[in-house]
Amino acid sequence: SQTIHQWPATLVQPVGSPLSLECTVEGTSNPNLYWYRQAAGRGLQLLFYSVGIGQISSEVPQNLSASRPQDRQFILSSKKLLLSDSGFYLCAWMTGTGAETQYFGPGTRLLVL
Amino acid sequence: RKEVEQDPGPFNVPEGATVAFNCTYSNSASQSFFWYRQDCRKEPKLLMSVYSSGNEDGRFTAQLNRASQYISLLIRDSKLSDSATYLCVVNTPGMDSSYKLIFGSGTRLLVRP
Repeated sequence: SQTIHQWPATLVQPVGSPLSLECTVEGTSNPNLYWYRQAAGRGLQLLFYSVGIGQISSEVPQNLSASRPQDRQFILSSKKLLLSDSGFYLCAWMTGTGAETQYFGPGTRLLVL
Repeated sequence: RKEVEQDPGPFNVPEGATVAFNCTYSNSASQSFFWYRQDCRKEPKLLMSVYSSGNEDGRFTAQLNRASQYISLLIRDSKLSDSATYLCVVNTPGMDSSYKLIFGSGTRLLVRP
């Protein structure tokens, strides 16, 4: 069966510090991978998605970047965090066929102070 | 106009009540539809897919009306454990032949004893 891992679970960072969140998927190959952010009390905002190694699509202009160095690894980064980057970051995977649903990791709760 | 719209609620109902949530989507090219459930401070989890013919899973019934671009979720005999936020989700083709899930902001349900 497939599993998706995210770490860390919780992170408190000062403004201006760098960020690296990691997501890995097990039990599947060539998945589509997604990064979402959910601000407190709000809906999910798609940040990035990737259909393959080295392929990144950005949905919204922002302070963040994403990379996919391996088939089942997806990384979300920032060089300098802003207060507005606080939120609940969720990684998700989906098979490449397109008509399937997505499965989410447990998320990383980020607080920027 | 939002791509997926839901009434944010909250819907406050007694145990045993029947409650219905509605959702509309704007992209007629959308191909598949889902209801997710999200508990407080947790990741969204798939509740059920929504098929054109309508489908039922225990106390939950989902309906899709493609002509009206409308999706519904009916919960019968509400339990305390049904308290959560219910997300309407639409799978829409992107520019690069990938698929993206578009999430509604969610409808909050509170079931009281």
